[in-house]
Amino acid sequence: AQSVTQLDSQVPVFEEAPVELRCNYSSSVSVYLFWYVQYPNQGLQLLLKYLSGSTLVESINGFEAEFNKSQTSFHLRKPSVHISDTAEYFCAVTDSNYQLIWGAGTKLIIKP
Amino acid sequence: DSGVTQTPKHLITATGQRVTLRCSPRSGDLSVYWYQQSLDQGLQFLIQYYNGEERAKGNILERFSAQQFPDLHSELNLSSLELGDSALYFCASSVSGLSGNTIYFGEGSWLTVV
Repeated sequence: AQSVTQLDSQVPVFEEAPVELRCNYSSSVSVYLFWYVQYPNQGLQLLLKYLSGSTLVESINGFEAEFNKSQTSFHLRKPSVHISDTAEYFCAVTDSNYQLIWGAGTKLIIKP
Repeated sequence: DSGVTQTPKHLITATGQRVTLRCSPRSGDLSVYWYQQSLDQGLQFLIQYYNGEERAKGNILERFSAQQFPDLHSELNLSSLELGDSALYFCASSVSGLSGNTIYFGEGSWLTVV
């Protein structure tokens, strides 16, 4: 069965520093990959997704993620974080039944 | 604003009671999902409906039930409530429920069981 691992429950980083949030999944067979973000006191919203094509996908607010089939990873990166990026980030992957399997989430903590 | 509307936003109830959470999906979306988010268990998928029919079931307890009505709104019924049911319950919707669809989440219903 498909599983998703977000190893870091929290990632503290200084403002304007780069950040990488890690996501690994168990099976690379026909997967779709997603990053959702949950800002404080809000519901989740899609940040970016990979369905096919270019393995590098970007969001409108400067995040990017790269689908790495050989390493079964879909890490999320941003070269320079802002205080407004403070949120919890969830990685999700489809399973063989095309249901979404969610990671446990990573809290991004921006230090001024 | 995702377009997904959930009511009530907050409710407090006693153990053993029953509550109903209501969800209106985004206009045009046929699929509705229910999720539970708690500190100890994280985000848990409960159930998915598509155009009135159950499509997928996750970690939904037998004390919980849901349905999607002909007008596509959905209700999640939680009965015989226990302290451990205290959580944030999200409704979400997507156009067709297919695997590549973006899922749009409501702002959630905070349930506190005392």
